[in-house]
Amino acid sequence: AQSVSQHNHHVILSEAASLELGCNYSYGGTVNLFWYVQYPGQHLQLLLKYFSGDPLVKGIKGFEAEFIKSKFSFNLRKPSVQWSDTAEYFCAVTTPYNNNDMRFGAGTRLTVKP
Amino acid sequence: NAGVTQTPKFQVLKTGQSMTLQCAQDMNHNSMYWYRQDPGMGLRLIYYSASEGTTDKGEVPNGYNVSRLNKREFSLRLESAAPSQTSVYFCASSDSWQFFGPGTRLTVL
Repeated sequence: AQSVSQHNHHVILSEAASLELGCNYSYGGTVNLFWYVQYPGQHLQLLLKYFSGDPLVKGIKGFEAEFIKSKFSFNLRKPSVQWSDTAEYFCAVTTPYNNNDMRFGAGTRLTVKP
Repeated sequence: NAGVTQTPKFQVLKTGQSMTLQCAQDMNHNSMYWYRQDPGMGLRLIYYSASEGTTDKGEVPNGYNVSRLNKREFSLRLESAAPSQTSVYFCASSDSWQFFGPGTRLTVL
């Protein structure tokens, strides 16, 4: 089965700093890729997704992610973070042969200092 | 639309007790899911239901049972709760991507 690695467990940034969160997956075939965000005390919400086409995907709140097939990566980026971006971020993957079996990374906690 | 709703929000059980977590969605989605979230481990799929009348095991099904009551409702049952089942449980439903409920925080003493 596919698996997902998020190497940054906790990232601390100051407001206006740039953000890049790493996500790598282990599956050699076609994948669907997702980033979800969980604000403190809330449920997971979809930030962005990649199914096919342009590997640079734009999501809500100024986030974007780039799918690099050769690196099995789908890193999340934001040019300038805000205090309100403080949350936990999860990368997830499914495959077309079973798009119900979604595998999540362990998550990266982002703290943005005002 | 309420989206995905879950009850209860919080629950404390003693080892060996049973309980059922309820989930409902009003988005007419075919697929529904149950996950558990543990610190440092992300979300892990317990069971899913690709359509009304079908259920399948996910990554961590042991100790759980599910029922897809109808298209809207998907329940998760713990027959004999164990401390290792202390977790936050999320229900989700999907068409192209998954929509999550608010979660149930379960503590087993």
